[in-house]
Amino acid sequence: DAEITQSPRHKITETGRQVTLACHQTWNHNNMFWYRQDLGHGLRLIHYSYGVHDTNKGEVSDGYSVSRSNTEDLPLTLESAASSQTSVYFCASSVDTEAFFGQGTRLTVV
Amino acid sequence: EDKVVQSPLSLVVHEGDTVTLNCSYEVTNFRSLLWYKQEKKAPTFLFMLTSSGIEKKSGRLSSILDKKELFSILNITATQTGDSAIYLCAALYNTDKLIFGTGTRLQVFP
Repeated sequence: DAEITQSPRHKITETGRQVTLACHQTWNHNNMFWYRQDLGHGLRLIHYSYGVHDTNKGEVSDGYSVSRSNTEDLPLTLESAASSQTSVYFCASSVDTEAFFGQGTRLTVV
Repeated sequence: EDKVVQSPLSLVVHEGDTVTLNCSYEVTNFRSLLWYKQEKKAPTFLFMLTSSGIEKKSGRLSSILDKKELFSILNITATQTGDSAIYLCAALYNTDKLIFGTGTRLQVFP
């Protein structure tokens, strides 16, 4: 079955370190998204991509970057992790309207 | 500023009760309104509503959209403990971008 997977599922890192969260989907969807989920804020869009070599900033993109070198993967990089980036991160993909979500990565920055 | 607001934030009911969850939105280039159920892991898709006044049903869940008043409701009848979850609504706008509300936490007790 086609799926979307995130790794790692849990990560603890130190302030200032660079961290990359992986997202891989096997649906061949053009659209991929990264969200963070925090209490009181719901899901907020970090970055998104509509296809290979296309990346766009979402509403909370500061301190994050993405790259899209193929259809299947959209890795999210935290250039210099900060405690404010402690959160649960969800990757999603879609072909038209319905978005399918990965299982999430819980990131703790200490 | 685009926004999606859900109410109530939290709801506690007993099995068999009927609940109504609310979602209002102010989004430019609105396309559709989506409802998701989130238990312990990733959000799972429930409904997508594009046209006003057309009810969508799935078992005990139903939802409807009012594009004039810019809101949607999600009804759950004869609630069960398995309905306990966070219910998220999201507005789809522009090209496949989603903006989420903060969610309604529903707890159903036996």
